[in-house]
Amino acid sequence: LAKTTQPISMDSYEGQEVNITCSHNNIATNDYITWYQQFPSQGPRFIIQGYKTKVTNEVASLFIPADRKSSTLSLPRVSLSDTAVYYCLVGDSFGSSASKIIFGSGTRLSIRP
Amino acid sequence: KAGVTQTPRYLIKTRGQQVTLSCSPISGHRSVSWYQQTPGQGLQFLFEYFSETQRNKGNFPGRFSGRQFSNSRSEMNVSTLELGDSALYLCASSSLEGNNSPLHFGNGTRLTVT
Repeated sequence: LAKTTQPISMDSYEGQEVNITCSHNNIATNDYITWYQQFPSQGPRFIIQGYKTKVTNEVASLFIPADRKSSTLSLPRVSLSDTAVYYCLVGDSFGSSASKIIFGSGTRLSIRP
Repeated sequence: KAGVTQTPRYLIKTRGQQVTLSCSPISGHRSVSWYQQTPGQGLQFLFEYFSETQRNKGNFPGRFSGRQFSNSRSEMNVSTLELGDSALYLCASSSLEGNNSPLHFGNGTRLTVT
C-alpha cells in the first residue's frame, strides 16, 4: 500500500486558488489517486480521482506529473465553505476491497474572509 | 439516488453495554464497509461486507462485529463497551463497478461511552 504525505494544515482566503500537494513515492502501476473532503461530524465526500496527467470536474482539478510520485488537488476560487479536511488516498481497485484504503492524517484547510 | 444512511445519528451508552449501529447503502451498492474515526487515530478500517459475507476485517478486537443482510443493509455491533470506543462510526458503500469505484460515506453515528 502506498503511503501518502500531505501538509497537516493550510490557510488561504476567499477567492484564492488553493493547491494541496500529496506525496506518494511508492505508488504502484495500478494505483489510482483519490481525494476526499470531510467536514466536522460528517463522512468523507469523494471529490476527484485520477491516474495520470490532469483530471477536472465541477469541483476541482487534479494534476498528476508523469512520474506519479505526487499529485496536486487544485480548488479554484475557494469560499468559506471549503474549510474542511482533505484526504489523499492511493490504491488500486477500491472496489475489490475497502480494507486496502488507508486514510492518512489529511490536510486541514482553513479559509478566511 | 439517496445517499448512505446511518442510524442513529447520536448515541450515548455506558461502559459494559452493547450497541448496534445501522447502515443503509446507496441503492444497488453491494459492498459496505465500516470505519472508526477518532481524533487520535484518524479513520481506521473496521470491516467490509459484500453479498452478506465479511471479506476483510481490520485490526479491532472481537467485541466489534458486523453483518450484512440480503438487501445489502448492514449492522455493526460493539459489545462490552469501553470508554475508548467513543468515536464517530462511519459506513461507506461502493458499487464495485469497475476497478476504482469510490467509497460513498454516510454521516456517521457519534457514539459516546460514559
